[in-house]
Amino acid sequence: KAGVTQTPRYLIKTRGQQVTLSCSPISGHRSVSWYQQTPGQGLQFLFEYFSETQRNKGNFPGRFSGRQFSNSRSEMNVSTLELGDSALYLCASSTRLAGVTDTQYFGPGTRLTVL
Amino acid sequence: AQKITQTQPGMFVQEKEAVTLDCTYDTSDPSYGLFWYKQPSSGEMIFLIYQGSYDQQNATEGRYSLNFQKARKSANLVISASQLGDSAMYFCAMREGGDNDMRFGAGTRLTVKP
Repeated sequence: KAGVTQTPRYLIKTRGQQVTLSCSPISGHRSVSWYQQTPGQGLQFLFEYFSETQRNKGNFPGRFSGRQFSNSRSEMNVSTLELGDSALYLCASSTRLAGVTDTQYFGPGTRLTVL
Repeated sequence: AQKITQTQPGMFVQEKEAVTLDCTYDTSDPSYGLFWYKQPSSGEMIFLIYQGSYDQQNATEGRYSLNFQKARKSANLVISASQLGDSAMYFCAMREGGDNDMRFGAGTRLTVKP
């Protein structure tokens, strides 16, 4: 099976712009979770989508949003970019059918730099 | 409150030796899962091993084993016969029952010396 793919791998934007990141999960996985990773804050949970519905949301401002399509692919959007949004954005997919044993498999990440 | 604690920011180990990476967790939920991931410099998080709170035996996966001490709420990762390719960041994570939100520790940077 192909793994989780994320596009683009690298992005450079300027403050005030918006950006859209894409994530394609492992075939058969219907849950996609997004994480932000920074040196200062570590790995922080953004949100999770399952069957096109947002199921969980982390403590991030409304500038961060996402959606999931019927084929389980997910997009994450950040509007009005700030310097502090520079980070590695990771998405992870899972079946969400195994409860606590449900393993998340991660993509290679999108490294966003905001200038 | 911090749910996952990794107290070792950095660790060094000689090639071919074993190393233990510490992880303690905090939960009142009787049902939970503990995960370890490896993150090389490329950035991708690689799943290594899983331990469930009801599992009677410690999990093992090749050179990786998990030293699970439930009463002490610790889930240490043991890597045997370290290889140069094991140099990476290692993250401990937990999922509590009914919650798909994974909580990650701050990570431990492991460096394997030749």
